[in-house]
Amino acid sequence: DAGVTQSPTHLIKTRGQQVTLRCSPKSGHDTVSWYQQALGQGPQFIFQYYEEEERQRGNFPDRFSGHQFPNYSSELNVNALLLGDSALYLCASSLEVRLLYNEQFFGPGTRLTVL
Amino acid sequence: AQSVTQLGSHVSVSEGALVLLRCNYSSSVPPYLFWYVQYPNQGLQLLLKYTTGATLVKGINGFEAEFKKSETSFHLTKPSAHMSDAAEYFCAVSGTGNQFYFGTGTSLTVIP
Repeated sequence: DAGVTQSPTHLIKTRGQQVTLRCSPKSGHDTVSWYQQALGQGPQFIFQYYEEEERQRGNFPDRFSGHQFPNYSSELNVNALLLGDSALYLCASSLEVRLLYNEQFFGPGTRLTVL
Repeated sequence: AQSVTQLGSHVSVSEGALVLLRCNYSSSVPPYLFWYVQYPNQGLQLLLKYTTGATLVKGINGFEAEFKKSETSFHLTKPSAHMSDAAEYFCAVSGTGNQFYFGTGTSLTVIP
């Protein structure tokens, strides 16, 4: 079992650019959540996808958008990058039917640097 | 609404000493509580979790935590620190739909 995988590992962009981050959930999982972890901070919830739809969203602007594909993999898109978007972006996967057990598995993250 | 507060952003202990990392939570519903560990340049690894049942929860690597509803606490302990325990530790509470709310983290340093 490969666990949650994310790509790329590192990314450097400049202000105003757009970026796409990718996540493959743990085998058998159907729900994907994205978190932003700024340096020295705890992860902050961005949004969650289930059945290819955004189900929940944290306090993030519309510049942050996502997508979930039929194979449950997911993308996080950030437009008009700001310096403050520099962070580690974590993907977590879970199984909808096991929500009560709150089992969530995290990937290694993508480190985004905005210059 | 759910939130957690981790007391102490940095904790240093000697190798072999007791590790105590503090976490207090706020939740409008019965909480599900978690401790995660993060090593440099890595993602989060689940140490332990409390959902229902026994209030003393045992996790991996010798860590345990006790859910105390009266104190709204979920402190993480380990009887004897090892050098490999040096990492960042996050307490989290889950909300509706499996959304997690994390604390700001506690950096644990183990002194040889």
